Amino acid sequence: SYELTQPPSVSVSPGQTASITCSGDTLGDKFAYWYQQKPGQSPVLVIYQDSKRPSGIPERFSGSNSGNTATLTISGTQAMDEADYYCQAWDSSTALYVFGTGTKVTVL
Amino acid sequence: QVQLQESGPGLVKASETLSLTCAVSGYSISSGYYWGWIRQPPGKGLEWIGSIHHSGSTYYNPSLKSRVTISVDTSKNQFSLKLSSVTAADTAVYYCARHRDREYFQHWGQGTLVTVSS
Repeated sequence: SYELTQPPSVSVSPGQTASITCSGDTLGDKFAYWYQQKPGQSPVLVIYQDSKRPSGIPERFSGSNSGNTATLTISGTQAMDEADYYCQAWDSSTALYVFGTGTKVTVL
Repeated sequence: QVQLQESGPGLVKASETLSLTCAVSGYSISSGYYWGWIRQPPGKGLEWIGSIHHSGSTYYNPSLKSRVTISVDTSKNQFSLKLSSVTAADTAVYYCARHRDREYFQHWGQGTLVTVSS
């Protein structure tokens, strides 16, 4: 089955840039999506179709996708960005919505 | 603004059937999109369970397909999940969500915790 792998944790200082990777076989041939989930809350879509931001999502969130890796970048990270982040893709070969393993972002 | 709200028993006995309903407001299910269920075991990641279109067409996670049924009631603007023969491994927060076909989940319910007891 198709798998998406993320680093378990990423630490970043306030104001710095956090990069979260999502790896999967030929992921660049699919669209990658990213969700932010704070404790006790539902996931929130922050990036869709690799690099687009939904209305209301700050410009500091950006995304890219190429080869086997999609990347979510948070520029000028703020304390409020501390959360779990999940990537997601649609795998047509198995007709499956696949979520990544998740990354906990800590703002130190 | 579309809103989704899950409801159902918070405690289910092992081997029985888990049943949840997702009530949708602010948008008519009959107008389009797909409507799905996703779950998250405590402290773990997200797993897609299955989805339904207002026409009634469904598709399920192959790993759960034999135990899952998703149905829609357009007259009540809601859709439902049934998961049979549950075990402790089915203990999770269950979310309902609206999504674009083969793309992303844009609107989520608040989630409901279902615990499977032995």
